[in-house]
This record gives sequence, structure tokens and C-alpha cells, in this order.
Amino acid sequence: TQLLEQSPQFLSIQEGENLTVYCNSSSVFSSLQWYRQEPGEGPVLLVTVVTGGEVKKLKRLTFQFGDARKDSSLHITAAQPGDTGLYLCAGDATGGFKTIFGAGTRLFVKA
Amino acid sequence: EPEVTQTPSHQVTQMGQEVILRCVPISNHLYFYWYRQILGQKVEFLVSFYNNEISEKSEIFDDQFSVERPDGSNFTLKIRSTKLEDSAMYFCASGLIRETSYGYTFGSGTRLTVV
Repeated sequence: TQLLEQSPQFLSIQEGENLTVYCNSSSVFSSLQWYRQEPGEGPVLLVTVVTGGEVKKLKRLTFQFGDARKDSSLHITAAQPGDTGLYLCAGDATGGFKTIFGAGTRLFVKA
Repeated sequence: EPEVTQTPSHQVTQMGQEVILRCVPISNHLYFYWYRQILGQKVEFLVSFYNNEISEKSEIFDDQFSVERPDGSNFTLKIRSTKLEDSAMYFCASGLIRETSYGYTFGSGTRLTVV
């Protein structure tokens, strides 16, 4: 069974601080996605990483896919209160038709 | 921006009743999915659907569940005889291709409460 472990589960920081969220697995994924989910809403895609070692930037968010395609990280620079939310990593199982989700990291940025 | 539409947004049903959750995927997408999220827990895969048939299903998707794409635009999830533990948010998602650089687009979900 493929699993995605996210850490930390919960993070509370001050506005302006930097943070990194990790997503790890013992399995290889053909791609990994990062989503953000607001309460009562569906996940909203932030980025997909496909190539091992790939780095993608989305404004203050930097996403990296591990060389072996088993892990990924999300780094937020100078966090703002608007970044508050649940961040989910998800992976496409190699050769499969399903996406597996991690349990999420709940981020709270205090003004 | 194209979106995935789910109806109803909330559904309350009695245990043992049948429910049908409806989804309208993005029109040019080819891959369709149902996921569920029990309150406070992770998003769980239920089933994927491509070319008018199930591609993959999880162990959660037992004989009580079925999916259908009846008219080329709607994508439905039916639960034949609901149980209390079926209470959850159910999300529909669609994708243009299976292995994609664009991920999937999720709907806003249907909150199902079984009483």
C-alpha cells in the first residue's frame, strides 16, 4: 500500500517567517501534487511536479520533487495570514489510476 | 475558469436509504474520480472512471457503491443502502489526461449525513 506521510501535521507561525512542509513516501510516484483546502471546500491544485529533482516556484511558494520521486517539499517564504489553510500533498500511483493523499499540514499564520 | 459542479451541496438521509450524488465534470476532461473525506480525516480515493468503465477502485468502494456517466455530461455516485459510516464529504474530480502536469480539478463536494 502506498502512503504519503506529511510533516508537520500542524504549524503555527508569525507573519513574515519562513516554513517548510514535507511529504515523504517509501514508494515512487509518477508525479506529486500540492493542494490547498479550505474548510468545507474541495482541494485546489497549487502545483504538480513530475520530474525527479524538479523545482517549481509560485510567487512565495517553492515546491521541490525529490530526485528519487519519493518525496516532496513545500517552502513558503515570508508567510502571510492569507497563507493559512490545509496543505495536502498527493501522488499519482505509478501505473495506477488513482491519487493518494497525505493527511495534510494545517498552517496558521498569525498577523 | 472551468469548474467541476457537484449537487446537492448537502444531503441528509436515513440509514438504509439510497442516495445519488451528482457531478458535472469539466467538459473536455476524460478521467473522472470520486473521493471522500470523513470529518477530520484524509481525502480517500474511491474510484476512477475512464472510457465508460471503472479503471480502479479502492477497498472502500464495495458492492453498495456504483458510478455511472449516464448522458456524457453527468457523473454520478450511488450508494444503495447507506450506513452511518458513509457520512462524509464526497468530492468529484476530473482530469484531462491520466498522468498530467495539471493535476485534477475538484468540485466543492457534497456533505452527506446519514442519520
